Amino acid sequence: AQKVTQAQTEISVVEKEDVTLDCVYETRDTTYYLFWYKQPPSGELVFLIRRNSFDEQNEISGRYSWNFQKSTSSFNFTITASQVVDSAVYFCALSSSGAGSYQLTFGKGTKLSVIP
Amino acid sequence: SQTIHQWPATLVQPVGSPLSLECTVEGTSNPNLYWYRQAAGRGLQLLFYSVGIGQISSEVPQNLSASRPQDRQFILSSKKLLLSDSGFYLCAWSRGGMYNEQFFGPGTRLTVL
Repeated sequence: AQKVTQAQTEISVVEKEDVTLDCVYETRDTTYYLFWYKQPPSGELVFLIRRNSFDEQNEISGRYSWNFQKSTSSFNFTITASQVVDSAVYFCALSSSGAGSYQLTFGKGTKLSVIP
Repeated sequence: SQTIHQWPATLVQPVGSPLSLECTVEGTSNPNLYWYRQAAGRGLQLLFYSVGIGQISSEVPQNLSASRPQDRQFILSSKKLLLSDSGFYLCAWSRGGMYNEQFFGPGTRLTVL
């Protein structure tokens, strides 16, 4: 069975602080993909990143960065110099062959509030 | 570019009434299509997915059904709504094949009274 755990239910930071959102996954498959999505108050999920299990290079996109560590089964997301517009619920998700490659298994999400 | 539409945006229905939510995708062919429900508490539950016209896979047994009458159209239906069907319904698409990122529509907020 596959599982995604986002232990942080809610996080509050002051604007310009850095914040890291944790994601721990479980799967028995050697081929899998990890994803992050952002859900702003409007409700629509916005795709942020997709990473495959064979690529452990960290990714940076502007103020966003992702740290993938297979040794700890983690795929953490860091926002540098947070802004009010970053306030949203963030979901980590997993897709692997064992559970059906078309499906995404989502974590329960972390609600980030950035206070001005 | 690809776009995904859902309607209606909000819906209030009495218990026992029928339901039809529609999702269409533009700008792509042969997409995989998905229906999710997000109840209060934020978790996303996959309800149905489809890899082609007329091909529907159900993930959770319930009083909902899905149909895909055209390549880029996905419909979620119910003959009789229950209170527990209230929630935020999201449609998504991905490129055909496996492991691809999914792109979500704006969602329909359904309240069953």
